[in-house]
Amino acid sequence: GAGVSQSPSNKVTEKGKDVELRCDPISGHTALYWYRQSLGQGLEFLIYFQGNSAPDKSGLPSDRFSAERTGGSVSTLTIQRTQQEDSAVYLCASSFYLETDTQYFGPGTRLTVL
Amino acid sequence: LAKTTQPISMDSYEGQEVNITCSHNNIATNDYITWYQQFPSQGPRFIIQGYKTKVTNEVASLFIPADRKSSTLSLPRVSLSDTAVYYCLVGVNTDKLIFGTGTRLQVFP
Repeated sequence: GAGVSQSPSNKVTEKGKDVELRCDPISGHTALYWYRQSLGQGLEFLIYFQGNSAPDKSGLPSDRFSAERTGGSVSTLTIQRTQQEDSAVYLCASSFYLETDTQYFGPGTRLTVL
Repeated sequence: LAKTTQPISMDSYEGQEVNITCSHNNIATNDYITWYQQFPSQGPRFIIQGYKTKVTNEVASLFIPADRKSSTLSLPRVSLSDTAVYYCLVGVNTDKLIFGTGTRLQVFP
């Protein structure tokens, strides 16, 4: 693919509902990352995958957040029982290898929890 | 974990050279220095990466002194379209995943 794609681009949900955010990395990239960015703030690291495994889940804000990656490609970030403080832009990035510093970012999913 | 410190914001005018300095006093031997640019409503974009001395590409230059405890991103002759947030990252593996709040550059006509 031409770049990292994310869907949906915008998601509005009600407090307490579950949401799923999807990330399609660049073909061939083995590492995939999820970040969260609140309005006017820097990027907050959530989780990364090397292949299908996520060795470091310490960045996930709470146990309502989970992520998976299948087939070494597509990843989904799931937020259960959403809260208003979950409102943010969720960014996905990928790179050839974890050790490679150049990450290619997607356009993000803007999540609004009412 | 290599912590970085950058100015919160900077102002400039079109046509001027802008230098953004990042401090990283506890940089490790294996650490590279990477800069990203982020426009509003977009994900960050890689600008430049270096290990020591000077690196130049079509977009910017990166100056790294011998002790590597700081680095300076230099943007020549900025234009309005260079208005963005610039992030300095230092580290390898998961250390490099700490973006911080970056430097907000505002370019005026």
